[in-house]
Amino acid sequence: SAVISQKPSRDICQRGTSLTIQCQVDSQVTMMFWYRQQPGQSLTLIATANQGSEATYESGFVIDKFPISRPNLTFSTLTVSNMSPEDSSIYLCSAAHKANTEAFFGQGTRLTVV
Amino acid sequence: QKEVEQNSGPLSVPEGAIASLNCTYSDRGSQSFFWYRQYSGKSPELIMSIYSNGDKEDGRFTAQLNKASQYVSLLIRDSQPSDSATYLCAVTHEKTGTASKLTFGTGTRLQVTL
Repeated sequence: SAVISQKPSRDICQRGTSLTIQCQVDSQVTMMFWYRQQPGQSLTLIATANQGSEATYESGFVIDKFPISRPNLTFSTLTVSNMSPEDSSIYLCSAAHKANTEAFFGQGTRLTVV
Repeated sequence: QKEVEQNSGPLSVPEGAIASLNCTYSDRGSQSFFWYRQYSGKSPELIMSIYSNGDKEDGRFTAQLNKASQYVSLLIRDSQPSDSATYLCAVTHEKTGTASKLTFGTGTRLQVTL
């Protein structure tokens, strides 16, 4: 398994501002992902964070809105840019040691945009 | 058609009974299958993974996979009130394994009653 630390755990932000969420894994992992979970909904993949290259975004998510960094095999950040109330959600970091194997989750960041 | 489908529930079972949770998926290329448990306000916790047809048992949990019929199920024996949670089915479907992103179902809410 992997222990994933995510911070902040929650934040309340003003619309128009940006928030950067950090994700730290206790061991080197091949795969890192960012998900969004809106209230009462399941998880939606935002992007795959690629080490040393640009993230791979899913349909409906763009780099300008959700820039992602992954400088090494244990760390990634997700920025939610120019926030609006519709961005209020839980954002989850996930990691897997190898492709197509178990993925583990951080504790999530509960974001409220006012 | 959704890629991964689950009955949203709630599924109510008495304490000590067997809870049966089902999941169907649309992509025949799906390779890996996972069950996550998510308590309210918490992040998903991996409880079972299964990669080949048949049954896989771990304690009170049994995962069953039938690729021909494209379904995966989770049985929980001797259900306890602490099992009350939302159970998320997730599958990967990248044959090359370069981006084993998970596609989640909407989850089944399980209630274990006293």
